[in-house]
Amino acid sequence: GAVVSQHPSWVICKSGTSVKIECRSLDFQATTMFWYRQFPKQSLMLMATSNEGSKATYEQGVEKDKFLINHASLTLSTLTVTSAHPEDSSFYICSARDTRDILGDTQYFGPGTRLTVL
Amino acid sequence: AQSVTQLDSHVSVSEGTPVLLRCNYSSSYSPSLFWYVQHPNKGLQLLLKYTSAATLVKGINGFEAEFKKSETSFHLTKPSAHMSDAAEYFCVVSESPGGGADGLTFGKGTHLIIQP
Repeated sequence: GAVVSQHPSWVICKSGTSVKIECRSLDFQATTMFWYRQFPKQSLMLMATSNEGSKATYEQGVEKDKFLINHASLTLSTLTVTSAHPEDSSFYICSARDTRDILGDTQYFGPGTRLTVL
Repeated sequence: AQSVTQLDSHVSVSEGTPVLLRCNYSSSYSPSLFWYVQHPNKGLQLLLKYTSAATLVKGINGFEAEFKKSETSFHLTKPSAHMSDAAEYFCVVSESPGGGADGLTFGKGTHLIIQP
């Protein structure tokens, strides 16, 4: 149980184009999902918190107009990197919290998406 | 404010020997503490979590961790390392009542190397 998927697992795009990454909770509903970014050999950095049916909350320093987040249903959140540039190349990981988890105890992580911008 | 310090960036052990990955935390409240493992180019898998129940927490794959409030530590151990344990390990702390929403703070990670 508590499986989170991401699609695509890797993507290569040209500079200036936009890329959409999907995050799905497969066997549970997630009111809240999270988007992280991980640079090589570094830890995860929270980019934004995505709540179903409302606007995402972005961490300080994260451009909301560049990283568009949509949480349209209880099982799907999307991250769109708009006008991507080489410095946006990174490993993007999402996580989700099970709505049945009363304590809000645990985040379940997706397998990540490797974005390379040429 | 909360913070996490993983004391070793790299740990190397021989297969079959014990593993110790060290983590210290600071928190203004009673924290929830987690250990996650990440294999290369993969997402994070939850190994175990502490949420104010028993101080010795057993996780998956033979791992366990002990919460020591007096030492503000949450070290991860395993009696006998296996080659498949080679990965990056993250200690994570949360001050949110359940560690869910906006409260996760990640350590910088410890790279575990298993020597044959």
